[in-house]
Formats: sequence, C-alpha cells, structure tokens
Amino acid sequence: SQKIEQNSEALNIQEGKTATLTCNYTNYSPAYLQWYRQDPGRGPVFLLLIRENEKEKRKERLKVTFDTTLKQSLFHITASQPADSATYLCALGENAGNMLTFGGGTRLMVKP
Amino acid sequence: KAGVTQTPRYLIKTRGQQVTLSCSPISGHRSVSWYQQTPGQGLQFLFEYFSETQRNKGNFPGRFSGRQFSNSRSEMNVSTLELGDSALYLCASSEAVGQNSPLHFGNGTRLTVT
Repeated sequence: SQKIEQNSEALNIQEGKTATLTCNYTNYSPAYLQWYRQDPGRGPVFLLLIRENEKEKRKERLKVTFDTTLKQSLFHITASQPADSATYLCALGENAGNMLTFGGGTRLMVKP
Repeated sequence: KAGVTQTPRYLIKTRGQQVTLSCSPISGHRSVSWYQQTPGQGLQFLFEYFSETQRNKGNFPGRFSGRQFSNSRSEMNVSTLELGDSALYLCASSEAVGQNSPLHFGNGTRLTVT
C-alpha cells in the first residue's frame, strides 16, 4: 500500500542548531515533492518545491534534498530559531494536477 | 494581494444536516483544491477545480461535493453529516495546474458535528 512517513514524534532542538526532518515514501512515483509549514489553527504555508530530477533546493536557511532511489526527502533548517517551531508537512505530487498526498507531519520545537 | 479567504471560520452542525463551505481564492488564481484535516488521518485531498471543471477527486463518499464559479470562487457541500465529518476543511488556490504551482491555503473552516 502507499505510505508517506514523517517522524510522528516531536523533534526538539536547541536554538542555533540545524534541524533535519525526514520524509519517506513507499509505492509512489512522485513527479515532485513540496514542504509546508503549519502553525496551530492556521492553514499550511508553502516553503519549498523540488522536482524528481533535482537533487537539492535551497532557500535562505532552508534546504531540501530528494533521493528517488532511497525514496526519501530531507528538510533542513540551519541556524534554527524559536520562531521556526511549527509542524512541517511533506507532500507528494504524482500527476500534472495539483492533487497532493501529505505526510502526517513532524512537530519541531526549537528551544532558546 | 489578499490571501485565500474561507467562510465561515467555525461551524457547528447536527448529524444528518448538510453544510456549505465557501472559499475565495487569491485574485488571479484559477485552481482551487479542498482538503480535509483530522488528527487521525492528517490532510486528505477532497477535490480540485480549474476553470469551473473538476479535475481530480479524492476517495470520499458522494456526500462530499463541490463546485467552482466563473469568478474562481468555490464551495463545497457535505450532506447527511456524520460525526466523523468533524474536521478542519482547508481550501487552497494556485495560479495554474502542475509541478510549478505551490498551493496557497486559507486558514480553514472548523466543522464540528454533534
């Protein structure tokens, strides 16, 4: 069966460190993968998109990698800040539409 | 530009009733998608509309329906509500359809069915 797995347990790190979040998938052939941030009571906010033929994408303190052989994406936040505390969702897109399949999300807590 | 607007923000309904949720996309965005978010199932795709046509539909019963108007505004309807329909319903818009189109989400409508 198809599955997208993110660490269900919260990730606690110290301010200034690099946070690394994992997204693993099985029985999917995604054309692209997106990462979103969601704060309590609000809708997800788009962060980064990476396509199947791309290995890495960066945006300011954010970096995402995409390994279609390992069927895994890693999402990094460098020099993390308490304001980065949120739930981070990965989402796979398989076709030309905008239909995304989301992972369960990982809650990140950055402590001062 | 104003973001995606969803109304109402909160809704309480009784089992068996029906409900209509509304979504106004970002100006110029022609694609609107709907998602259901629950603690147990996470974010699940409901349907996607582009230029008033439904492009994709998720694995939900026929009680869930939607439509898009010529001004790109969208509504979704749930008939014969069940307790399990209690969820956060999120609408998202995008400029186009495809790999280059990130979704812009509203803050959702919180539906509680009693």
